Amino acid sequence: AQTVTQSQPEMSVQEAETVTLSCTYDTSESDYYLFWYKQPPSRQMILVIRQEAYKQQNATENRFSVNFQKAAKSFSLKISDSQLGDAAMYFCAYRGGATNKLIFGTGTLLAVQP
Amino acid sequence: EAEVAQSPRYKITEKSQAVAFWCDPISGHATLYWYRQILGQGPELLVQFQDESVVDDSQLPKDRFSAERLKGVDSTLKIQPAELGDSAMYLCASSLGDWISYEQYFGPGTRLTVT
Repeated sequence: AQTVTQSQPEMSVQEAETVTLSCTYDTSESDYYLFWYKQPPSRQMILVIRQEAYKQQNATENRFSVNFQKAAKSFSLKISDSQLGDAAMYFCAYRGGATNKLIFGTGTLLAVQP
Repeated sequence: EAEVAQSPRYKITEKSQAVAFWCDPISGHATLYWYRQILGQGPELLVQFQDESVVDDSQLPKDRFSAERLKGVDSTLKIQPAELGDSAMYLCASSLGDWISYEQYFGPGTRLTVT
């Protein structure tokens, strides 16, 4: 069964600095997608960035980028120039295989200090 | 921008009572998902609809939970009777289809507290 592990329950970053959130996953599939979702307090979860496993190039969306290491089954999220609005719970998620379910990690709560 | 709507946003109910949640997906989205998010954990899929048909309810506790999407548009998730362990956030999401690349759009959720 596929699993997603986020080993950092909480992280803190100073405004304008860079922070990296870690995620590892386990799968025997070759075709899958990986995602980072942001869940602000009392607001809906939104997709931040996604990576197709067959693509070697790391995905980038403005200040958000990933470091996808397929062999190591690692998928970290880098947030550059952190802003107060980046404060939220961040979930790493996997989708693929026969079940095609979206499987989430336990989340990392990011605090941004002014 | 279109959003997934859910109601109520908060619900407090007593143990053994019935409770229902409603979800209105983004117009045109054929696939609808219900997730349960226990505090401190990531969301877990309870049930997935493709139009009005259930395609995955393997994690739905069918002795007390039921879900329907009668006309393939909005959906209702019901719990009867509620138990203390059902306290959680219930999230609804929708997507154009079930293809792996289709983005899932989430609603704001219903926070259930069972006393």
